[in-house]
Amino acid sequence: AQKITQTQPGMFVQEKEAVTLDCTYDTSDPSYGLFWYKQPSSGEMIFLIYQGSYDQQNATEGRYSLNFQKARKSANLVISASQLGDSAMYFCAMRVSGAGSYQLTFGKGTKLSVIP
Amino acid sequence: GAGVSQSPRYKVAKRGQDVALRCDPISGHVSLFWYQQALGQGPEFLTYFQNEAQLDKSGLPSDRFFAERPEGSVSTLKIQRTQKEDSAVYLCASSLSGGRGETQYFGPGTRLLVL
Repeated sequence: AQKITQTQPGMFVQEKEAVTLDCTYDTSDPSYGLFWYKQPSSGEMIFLIYQGSYDQQNATEGRYSLNFQKARKSANLVISASQLGDSAMYFCAMRVSGAGSYQLTFGKGTKLSVIP
Repeated sequence: GAGVSQSPRYKVAKRGQDVALRCDPISGHVSLFWYQQALGQGPEFLTYFQNEAQLDKSGLPSDRFFAERPEGSVSTLKIQRTQKEDSAVYLCASSLSGGRGETQYFGPGTRLLVL
């Protein structure tokens, strides 16, 4: 079975500072993908960044980067230069290869609050 | 449309009523997923369609839950004889073809409250 663990229920960061949101995962499948989504209070899940298990380099998307440490099974999200609009819930998710099923398994999320 | 749309956005039902939740995926997306998100939790998988075929319904919590996608585009999640524990946000997502590394794009969700 696949499992995602996010150990930080809530985080605070000063505006313009960087913040790291932790994510560890557990799977026996060698082929998997890791995703981060942002969920503002409006409720929609917004895709941020993706990392494949065979990718050699850490993924980056603008101010978002993923610190992928395969041996430690961690996929932390780094947000640089935080903005007030970054205040939201952040979910780490995993998807494994498998015949017939491609669902995402989500963690419980981290609530990020950006302080002006 | 530009993104995944869901309707209604909010639904209040009395216990025992049947409800139907609609999802309109991104045009051309083959794969469609339904997730249930309880308050303070991450989304949990309910069911998956590839075109009109329901390939996985392992996450449906009971036989009161039924989903369909008859023409391979719009999908409906139906909950019969709603119970209080069905109160949650129901999220729909779609992706182009369902590949492992493919991004799933989510709709705004339907917030269901069962009284």
